[in-house]
Amino acid sequence: GAVVSQHPSWVICKSGTSVKIECRSLDFQATTMFWYRQFPKQSLMLMATSNEGSKATYEQGVEKDKFLINHASLTLSTLTVTSAHPEDSSFYICSARDRGSQYFGPGTRLTVL
Amino acid sequence: GENVEQHPSTLSVQEGDSAVIKCTYSDSASNYFPWYKQELGKGPQLIIDIRSNVGEKKDQRIAVTLNKTAKHFSLHITETQPEDSAVYFCAASPYNQGGKLIFGQGTELSVKP
Repeated sequence: GAVVSQHPSWVICKSGTSVKIECRSLDFQATTMFWYRQFPKQSLMLMATSNEGSKATYEQGVEKDKFLINHASLTLSTLTVTSAHPEDSSFYICSARDRGSQYFGPGTRLTVL
Repeated sequence: GENVEQHPSTLSVQEGDSAVIKCTYSDSASNYFPWYKQELGKGPQLIIDIRSNVGEKKDQRIAVTLNKTAKHFSLHITETQPEDSAVYFCAASPYNQGGKLIFGQGTELSVKP
């Protein structure tokens, strides 16, 4: 299947700082990527749909000014958590569609102190 | 909007036995139903998917069945092995919503040797 990578795999930051997470489709082009958030022992919750060359579409309840998404190319989408706080600590996972199937990255563990 | 219910939340089987996980969805227009396996600390891995124009799909020890009338789909794993132990998620993709996925709550499968 198609390969999606994420960087970094984990990050620890101080409260109030911003953190950028990259999501790349390695062997295919993706006009649409998705960002999910997962708390321990819970399911994946869709945060936003990232569209190449246009604004992201955010799910209800997700603050677009806090979670900035940029999809600047057909293989790269970035999620920036601005002014992070401890409650933003979570596992962030991106995904991308290739020929109708959706593939996930390995995830990024964010810990905000 | 779409809602996906998944049962059971935990499942323990003996090595070699079969495991069945069931999901129901609410939006009859949903047309794509993937299943993912997630190991601890990793991103979900696509193991099989089915589209609404197909009733059953099989890939070696894994099969998925779809009943559109009843709006439910199931994952069947035969001849289970200890390495099948993981959390399994079903998902549904609502029609004409850009490919986003709505996930079930997950099933923690434990295969005892």
